Amino acid sequence: QSVLTQPPSASGTPGQRVTISCSGSYSNIGTNTVNWYQQLPGTAPKLLIYSNDQRPSGVPDRFSGSKSGTSPSLAISGLQSEDEADYYCAAWDDSLNGWVFGGGTKLTVL
Amino acid sequence: QVQLVQSGAEVRKPGASVKVSCTASGYTFSNYYMHWVRQAPGQGLEWMGIIHPSGDFTSYAQKFQGRLTMTTDTSTSTVYMEVRGLRSEDTAVYYCARTLRSGWLGFFDYWGQGTLVTVSS
Repeated sequence: QSVLTQPPSASGTPGQRVTISCSGSYSNIGTNTVNWYQQLPGTAPKLLIYSNDQRPSGVPDRFSGSKSGTSPSLAISGLQSEDEADYYCAAWDDSLNGWVFGGGTKLTVL
Repeated sequence: QVQLVQSGAEVRKPGASVKVSCTASGYTFSNYYMHWVRQAPGQGLEWMGIIHPSGDFTSYAQKFQGRLTMTTDTSTSTVYMEVRGLRSEDTAVYYCARTLRSGWLGFFDYWGQGTLVTVSS
């Protein structure tokens, strides 16, 4: 059982825009920023978004993050087949004194 | 370029121990904390703990207290993660990942390639 909650799956057709939500509690998302990771099949996770809405160098601007109140989300616009992957949200938890992750959302490009 | 290279796959029997290494290159080792994150087959990511590159500070997730030890070797820019008393539930891919800062300010910007640890009798 993951501390952060994500929908287990999401899907879209090429060119579409999809969003993935992440929910938690005051001790994690309510207090701290959220990071997002992309995990392509059989590979290590890769940093996609940090500090709610910042993109590391090299990440296409099709990927964007936001956090409205305690509701962070990841948006992917102009969906491409290579975006098929698992996406994880993560945040520091002040009560657990450690990092917590969502259970992951499997994105399928139809 | 930044690289975190982990040791190879391991197979252990229940009750045994395993030690996995993560060797860093392409950056100043002493400037970044190292974490270990594991992923059971078909499951999500689970944070295990953090170590300062000097080895002077460690913090482990409560779930692993008493069974997990992280150490560093600054001469080789290598971080080690040892799990004792292995159970079948410890079968997972173990990743090292670095952060510039500890706590909420951090984010895992580079990851190792992963090490599969299989616990089976």
